[in-house]
Amino acid sequence: DAKTTQPNSMESNEEEPVHLPCNHSTISGTDYIHWYRQLPSQGPEYVIHGLTSNVNNRMASLAIAEDRKSSTLILHRATLRDAAVYYCILASNNAGNMLTFGGGTRLMVKP
Amino acid sequence: DGGITQSPKYLFRKEGQNVTLSCEQNLNHDAMYWYRQDPGQGLRLIYYSQIVNDFQKGDIAEGYSVSREKKESFPLTVTSAQKNPTAFYLCASSISTGKTLHFGNGTRLTVT
Repeated sequence: DAKTTQPNSMESNEEEPVHLPCNHSTISGTDYIHWYRQLPSQGPEYVIHGLTSNVNNRMASLAIAEDRKSSTLILHRATLRDAAVYYCILASNNAGNMLTFGGGTRLMVKP
Repeated sequence: DGGITQSPKYLFRKEGQNVTLSCEQNLNHDAMYWYRQDPGQGLRLIYYSQIVNDFQKGDIAEGYSVSREKKESFPLTVTSAQKNPTAFYLCASSISTGKTLHFGNGTRLTVT
């Protein structure tokens, strides 16, 4: 299974942009890049996913490197409610493929 | 509102007792999953089910059992054979395996 590498923790100031990096040098051509986040004492929630092109939604943007060996989740204006653990996961779109969660990045947002 | 319901939120049991955690979804999803999370760690897959009446072991299935008799329900039994059962248990569903996961809010099990 292709693995991802994320920093253990990051800090941000409220209302500033946050760039959360993820390395996935062994990504295969059929692997999608998924991001989930987990607020304290809750289940993870889906944030965004993409294959090759950059993606935007109401929660965040996903910037994917041209060689697809890394990606960055961008929160445009961090709020205190964005403090969570962010997981970067690779998964093929094929039936039977599981999403495997690593340790993620704990984002702390300072007021 | 569609979603996944896990109950109870907190569960306490004595060592040596089996305990069953409930997971119900009304999203009409075929696939359902159970994950375990220990403090400060990521999620580890216990069991998953791609369709009714079928399920497969995940990475850490020993000491656990599941059933999938109905599409909406995927209960997890933590047996007395599970050596370290105290953990946060998360249930999830998706349209099919490999697709976006929808999680419940978890059950925190404490065994003493």
